[in-house]
Amino acid sequence: EAQVTQNPRYLITVTGKKLTVTCSQNMNHEYMSWYRQDPGLGLRQIYYSMNVEVTDKGDVPEGYKVSRKEKRNFPLILESPSPNQTSLYFCASSPRRTVGKLFFGSGTQLSVL
Amino acid sequence: AQSVTQPDIHITVSEGASLELRCNYSYGATPYLFWYVQSPGQGLQLLLKYFSGDTLVQGIKGFEAEFKRSQSSFNLRKPSVHWSDAAEYFCAVAYVMDSNYQLIWGAGTKLIIKP
Repeated sequence: EAQVTQNPRYLITVTGKKLTVTCSQNMNHEYMSWYRQDPGLGLRQIYYSMNVEVTDKGDVPEGYKVSRKEKRNFPLILESPSPNQTSLYFCASSPRRTVGKLFFGSGTQLSVL
Repeated sequence: AQSVTQPDIHITVSEGASLELRCNYSYGATPYLFWYVQSPGQGLQLLLKYFSGDTLVQGIKGFEAEFKRSQSSFNLRKPSVHWSDAAEYFCAVAYVMDSNYQLIWGAGTKLIIKP
């Protein structure tokens, strides 16, 4: 089954404790992206990647890191989480030439205490 | 600057009634427009998209949307809603630059269905 898999689904952590949210897709998509969703703000892009070893900042990259060492994986790293990073995070992927047709993971609800 | 506005934060309709969700965009060139749906506890799913051609586009789950360039709008419609349509709906516009693109999202409209 074609899908984007995020883990974990829920995560509670404390300020400053490094964490990684994993994202994997099995559709051989070139494009992958991370979003955060906050009430009343819609989705805001954190980082995106057009292909392996190619990443770029989105609208709200501060406090986040990503890597794209393999085509299928695009982990999101919070080196020192803070409470303002409490949010619902989504990973998405698409074929490079298909503008805007994103496949989303189920989301990761992160709470930073 | 590019932007997307969904004026209604919540909309409540009775089951079986018609639905229209509004979306207005600000974009200098011909837009690529999208509607996504987010069911509770789920990721987003593409409902429909407009790139060019016929301004009335059909999507999944019985939804349609009409692109009106003169009004900078891309409203989503459904003739008769079902309880399973209760969800949050997001409008988005893509702007393309070189070989890349970026999606600009509206804040979303939450659809509540009355029995």
